Amino acid sequence: SQQGEEDPQALSIQEGENATMNCSYKTSINNLQWYRQNSGRGLVHLILIRSNEREKHSGRLRVTLDTSKKSSSLLITASRAADTASYFCATAGSGNTGKLIFGQGTTLQVKP
Amino acid sequence: GAVVSQHPSWVICKSGTSVKIECRSLDFQATTMFWYRQFPKQSLMLMATSNEGSKATYEQGVEKDKFLINHASLTLSTLTVTSAHPEDSSFYICSARGGVQYFGPGTRLTVT
Repeated sequence: SQQGEEDPQALSIQEGENATMNCSYKTSINNLQWYRQNSGRGLVHLILIRSNEREKHSGRLRVTLDTSKKSSSLLITASRAADTASYFCATAGSGNTGKLIFGQGTTLQVKP
Repeated sequence: GAVVSQHPSWVICKSGTSVKIECRSLDFQATTMFWYRQFPKQSLMLMATSNEGSKATYEQGVEKDKFLINHASLTLSTLTVTSAHPEDSSFYICSARGGVQYFGPGTRLTVT
């Protein structure tokens, strides 16, 4: 079952602009992760934020987590055409099963 | 980083036949692997958790007799789609748990 929703479903921006994607989830979590998927390919892990963290940075990526609102956001700054891909959030539950439940995903297009 | 491979990368089979997909962790041991299915322009749906040396745990709505999972070693899990039908055509992705989850490149199954 899907954990929640991501918005927007699709986002089109110009190179150099920032892209913000949001993710909501329904149950308590241990951590939340963001993944990237190029068309027809596997997933690449971008960043993990634990439930006791509020913000995390990695290069041009900034992730926030608000557990009271059960939501997270991924910000990509100074976007590049190579950032064009689908982005998924995934939540790991409070049990140590390792299971990930994915959001619906946001398709990002960065125009050169 | 850790690498997970899948074989084959794509397969076309006739309706009624069975197809086996392999998932290997190449440089680490994985007691737990996961199988996901992804339909076009949709998110990943967790199908089952593959546990080394024991039976797989299937998600609700996934037919265990149709999607046979065998996790015979710490580096190999296989998914067999039995008596495949056109509606089984999808992108199947495995992941292996090693800290974060590492995803394979996926297998595109087309059933004609």
